[in-house]
Parts: sequence; structure tokens; C-alpha cells
Amino acid sequence: GAGVSQSPSNKVTEKGKDVELRCDPISGHTALYWYRQSLGQGLEFLIYFQGNSAPDKSGLPSDRFSAERTGGSVSTLTIQRTQQEDSAVYLCASSSGQGGYEQYFGPGTRLTVT
Amino acid sequence: ILNVEQSPQSLHVQEGDSTNFTCSFPSSNFYALHWYRWETAKSPEALFVMTLNGDEKKKGRISATLNTKEGYSYLYIKGSQPEDSATYLCAFLTGTASKLTFGTGTRLQVTL
Repeated sequence: GAGVSQSPSNKVTEKGKDVELRCDPISGHTALYWYRQSLGQGLEFLIYFQGNSAPDKSGLPSDRFSAERTGGSVSTLTIQRTQQEDSAVYLCASSSGQGGYEQYFGPGTRLTVT
Repeated sequence: ILNVEQSPQSLHVQEGDSTNFTCSFPSSNFYALHWYRWETAKSPEALFVMTLNGDEKKKGRISATLNTKEGYSYLYIKGSQPEDSATYLCAFLTGTASKLTFGTGTRLQVTL
């Protein structure tokens, strides 16, 4: 079946502009995660959605970052007023549950803020 | 702040060599330990999810062990092949957290 998809695959934007990154998880997966990897860094957790529960936003680095998950499926990560330090690869993952379940990752969106 | 450490940071081996890496994590409030392989230009791919102390898991030439009491996991690759070249990530989950904390990975390069 189809895996996790993300769009766009690459995004170049000017500092100060807003960007939206999209994630389509595997159908039926209740858990959805956003991560980012900045140059030379490990994978950094951003936000986690599980079913209809309130999302865990504890990893969002600032209030310029927000995410939503509509209908328990597609998720959008929005970065407002982008800064150069936002440049990174943004990865989405989904799983059929939390914790003990393996996560399936999308191909990522490479964001470059100039 | 949870600290997940992986060593070595990078490794270069010849085809046919066997190798292993270490993942260290806090031993308290353990829930699960994940291993992922991340090849260049691809998505991270799950290798193992381990939850029990003493767990040993195997997938082909790759195997992993888990010691939750002392807070470490080993990943072994037997007879390395060039297609094993990738970054190997471990990630730790506590019983009270909803998210994985990833290590920075071990970058493996296997040459002919």
C-alpha cells in the first residue's frame, strides 16, 4: 500500500515569508509525528497527534510554528515569518499507535530560507 | 532532558567485516527502544522496536540486543555489505512520554 507522502519535496523561501508543509500519513494510522533535522543535528521532535486527543506540541521551537491534522488524516505544518535557522529537512511519520509501534517516515521536505 | 547517545559517530568498514554500534539511554522509566536505518536520499526505515530487558531481535544479517537495567542497546551487522551503508539511529521512549528522543546516529560506510 501507499506509504507516508510529503509535499513539497523541496521549498526555497525568503526570510519573513510563511510556508506550509503537508503530510499524508498511511491510511488508518492514528498517530502522526513531525520532526526536523537541521544540518549536523539529530532528529528533533516537533509535534505529535494521536487520534482525537489534544496534540503534544512540546517540541515546537517557537510560536511561529503550528500544525493541524484535519479529519484525523492529513496534517499541515505551518511556519510563519520564516527565519534562516528554520532551514532543515522536515520529516513526517505515522504509526498505528504510540510508543511501542514502529514509525513509518515520509521522504521529507527540504526547506531552505534565504 | 533525556540524553540518548550513540557511538561511534561514524564507522568505515570493508565489505565482509562484522561491526556493532552502541546506543545509551537513561535506565529509569523505560518504555521502548527503536532502531532505524536512514539511507541517503531516503526515509528512515524501522529496523526494530524493543520493549523487554534482554530482548534480542534479528532481521537478516542485522541483530540487536537490549539491556534496560544498565541503559544500553547494541546493533550488530554481520558480514557488512555496501548496501548497509547508512546512518543508524536509535530512539528512546519513557513510560510517561508520547514522543521518541533520537540519538544523533552512527554513520556507517561499507566499501568494497
